[in-house]
Amino acid sequence: AQTVTQSQPEMSVQEAETVTLSCTYDTSENNYYLFWYKQPPSRQMILVIRQEAYKQQNATENRFSVNFQKAAKSFSLKISDSQLGDTAMYFCAFMMRGAGGSYIPTFGRGTSLIVHP
Amino acid sequence: DTAVSQTPKYLVTQMGNDKSIKCEQNLGHDTMYWYKQDSKKFLKIMFSYNNKELIINETVPNRFSPKSPDKAHLNLHINSLELGDSAVYFCASSQDRAKDGYTFGSGTRLTVV
Repeated sequence: AQTVTQSQPEMSVQEAETVTLSCTYDTSENNYYLFWYKQPPSRQMILVIRQEAYKQQNATENRFSVNFQKAAKSFSLKISDSQLGDTAMYFCAFMMRGAGGSYIPTFGRGTSLIVHP
Repeated sequence: DTAVSQTPKYLVTQMGNDKSIKCEQNLGHDTMYWYKQDSKKFLKIMFSYNNKELIINETVPNRFSPKSPDKAHLNLHINSLELGDSAVYFCASSQDRAKDGYTFGSGTRLTVV
């Protein structure tokens, strides 16, 4: 079974600074997808960024970027110019095609990020 | 308009009752899901339907029964509610088996007393 580890239960950062959230995963597969989701206090789960394992180029979405190290099985999220609205739980997720063709995701336990003014 | 809407947002009920949570998506996605998030925020998939066909059925008590009348709706019915069923339940939808990620509803906080 695949596992996803987020080793930082909590992190904090000052507004306008940069913060990096770590995520590692364990798989023997070569083709898979990785995601970061954000869950603010409103409870809504929001997709932040996705990465396809066969693409070497790191995904970027505005202030959010990833450092995808396939050999090391690492998928960290960097948030630049942190804003108060970035305060949320961040979940790393791994997805691959399973038996029968279904994609079953595995989520990490989450990292709680607090952005201080 | 909300892309994935689920109702109710909050549900408080007594042990032993039967309850349902409804979910609708207007994105035209072909796959819908139910997730459970426990008190420690751990998120786990329960069910998935693709074009009204059940494709994922994780280890979930058979008191939980999903029903998909059409590909835009996926409801969750829970029989004989137990204290341990208290959690936040998320509906989600995706296109193409979620390779592009999910769109989640806002969640239903179920409290069993």
